[in-house]
Amino acid sequence: DAGVTQSPTHLIKTRGQHVTLRCSPISGHKSVSWYQQVLGQGPQFIFQYYEKEERGRGNFPDRFSARQFPNYSSELNVNALLLGDSALYLCASSYMTVPDTQYFGPGTRLTVL
Amino acid sequence: RKEVEQDPGPFNVPEGATVAFNCTYSNSASQSFFWYRQDCRKEPKLLMSVYSSGNEDGRFTAQLNRASQYISLLIRDSKLSDSATYLCVVTPGRRALTFGSGTRLQVQP
Repeated sequence: DAGVTQSPTHLIKTRGQHVTLRCSPISGHKSVSWYQQVLGQGPQFIFQYYEKEERGRGNFPDRFSARQFPNYSSELNVNALLLGDSALYLCASSYMTVPDTQYFGPGTRLTVL
Repeated sequence: RKEVEQDPGPFNVPEGATVAFNCTYSNSASQSFFWYRQDCRKEPKLLMSVYSSGNEDGRFTAQLNRASQYISLLIRDSKLSDSATYLCVVTPGRRALTFGSGTRLQVQP
């Protein structure tokens, strides 16, 4: 069975630009969560979606937004990129919301120049 | 104060050694506890859940002490392939996973 997939794998942007990251959950999973992992730190929670509704939001500015589609895939959008947004962005899927086991995708590595 | 605190290491141990990691958490309402493993530049992968009664999976043993709010992971007979960063994870209430910064383990031949 396919695991969580994310695209693109790598991305280079400049300050002020906008970026869209995509995630497809494991088949049958209805919840998607997004995390940001800065080098040397653990992942930090950004959003959680379940059945296309936002179920949780971490401490991130409004430049970050997300949505979940009817097929349960998800997009994370970041506007007005800052140098500090450079990180590994991880998507995790689970059948239901936390504390159900979450399975992580390989991530999208974003570099902001 | 961070919600989940871990010693960053690195822990450098020889093959065959026993090594233990601890982490502490600040939210006494936390309900679920996990250890994840993360290889360099890869995604985190669930190693094991942690229960108050303690649980074991092969060479790995996890313990939870709710009174002291700490979680431990013991690895016996370390292998080279155990070299990774070990992330302590808690769920405060039904919110998303809260990760520690990780403890790096390097097993040496």
